[in-house]
Amino acid sequence: QQPVQSPQAVILREGEDAVINCSSSKALYSVHWYRQKHGEAPVFLMILLKGGEQKGHEKISASFNEKKQQSSLYLTASQLSYSGTYFCGTERGNNDMRFGAGTRLTVKP
Amino acid sequence: GAGVSQSPRYKVAKRGQDVALRCDPISGHVSLFWYQQALGQGPEFLTYFQNEAQLDKSGLPSDRFFAERPEGSVSTLKIQRTQQEDSAVYLCASSLWGANTGELFFGEGSRLTVL
Repeated sequence: QQPVQSPQAVILREGEDAVINCSSSKALYSVHWYRQKHGEAPVFLMILLKGGEQKGHEKISASFNEKKQQSSLYLTASQLSYSGTYFCGTERGNNDMRFGAGTRLTVKP
Repeated sequence: GAGVSQSPRYKVAKRGQDVALRCDPISGHVSLFWYQQALGQGPEFLTYFQNEAQLDKSGLPSDRFFAERPEGSVSTLKIQRTQQEDSAVYLCASSLWGANTGELFFGEGSRLTVL
């Protein structure tokens, strides 16, 4: 039931873009994205509900393709503060949230 | 408090000891989740409560793990006869209604080290 994330890790220079993918073998109702910095709690970025929507949050946006059971997180013009581990969480309408193994993003000056 | 509070933040236990980890969710939040996070891994689902009802405990790794939320607010995760493989950060999260409608607010976690 755990979603699969790719890539496992990515290194960027400031200003570069990145895409993180999340896929599930089960039909999904919602997808969440969180960012966790070392030693801290995961912090919510956005939620996408069934309906194939796309959401944006300044330079961070995400899409959700419910037919393919996939979601992607887009980070544009990355900043140093974007560094951390990104987790997608998937939920099938019954409230049981499962998280992927994470994508470690490092942004260098 | 304004956020999810967990205690203790750090716990060192000898193998075989029992431990209890506490979670104080945001006041009024209906849903409460427990996750286990090993070093470098994603949070692994343990169990989920809606008010005082434990609706899903399929992630609890063995019968040594037990969770309760008797009054629908504070929750306790108890681990009996701890083993070295139980060493991890235990995260608690709460949500106003549920994960299917809104975000999860996480506590900072309880780091358990079993020697």
